[in-house]
Amino acid sequence: EAGVAQSPRYKIIEKRQSVAFWCNPISGHATLYWYQQILGQGPKLLIQFQNNGVVDDSQLPKDRFSAERLKGVDSTLKIQPAKLEDSAVYLCASGARTGSTDTQYFGPGTRLTVL
Amino acid sequence: AQRVTQPEKLLSVFKGAPVELKCNYSYSGSPELFWYVQYSRQRLQLLLRHISRESIKGFTADLNKGETSFHLKKPFAQEEDSAMYYCAPKGSARQLTFGSGTQLTVLP
Repeated sequence: EAGVAQSPRYKIIEKRQSVAFWCNPISGHATLYWYQQILGQGPKLLIQFQNNGVVDDSQLPKDRFSAERLKGVDSTLKIQPAKLEDSAVYLCASGARTGSTDTQYFGPGTRLTVL
Repeated sequence: AQRVTQPEKLLSVFKGAPVELKCNYSYSGSPELFWYVQYSRQRLQLLLRHISRESIKGFTADLNKGETSFHLKKPFAQEEDSAMYYCAPKGSARQLTFGSGTQLTVLP
């Protein structure tokens, strides 16, 4: 099966500019996650969707970050305006429940550099 | 507060030597525990989960509830095991919390 797709793979912007990332999950996966991974740290969950509804966005900086998952498939994550500290890899993952547990499958990530 | 600690950022061992990557967690309730791995230029992927009690690529991980640890072990390391390893508990909210990771290098 095809894996989680993300684009772009790399993005360089100046602070105060806007940027958007796109994620296409594995077909049939109801759950979609966006993570932020700052250099030297583990991934940190930003937002979790179940179909097209938000399950948890408690760690999403809502003054500048937004995310949507229209039609319960693809998702976009937007940053407006970007700050220097937003430089990170943004990972998308989708999940499928099997029995009593679920497994997350990760995309390749988008590396964002804010200058 | 939920917390996961991987005390070693870097770990080097020689090929054929045993390896142990440490993970300690602080969680309410009984979290589900996972190890994820990222090989060079590859995606983050699941290595193993504690409920499966399985050995994947020779790795095992034992959950010690008394010590709240979930260390990853392999008796004989191979060069292809060189990668970044993340411990990740999943709590009642069913969300993963990743540790900061341990970069394992297996020397020839």
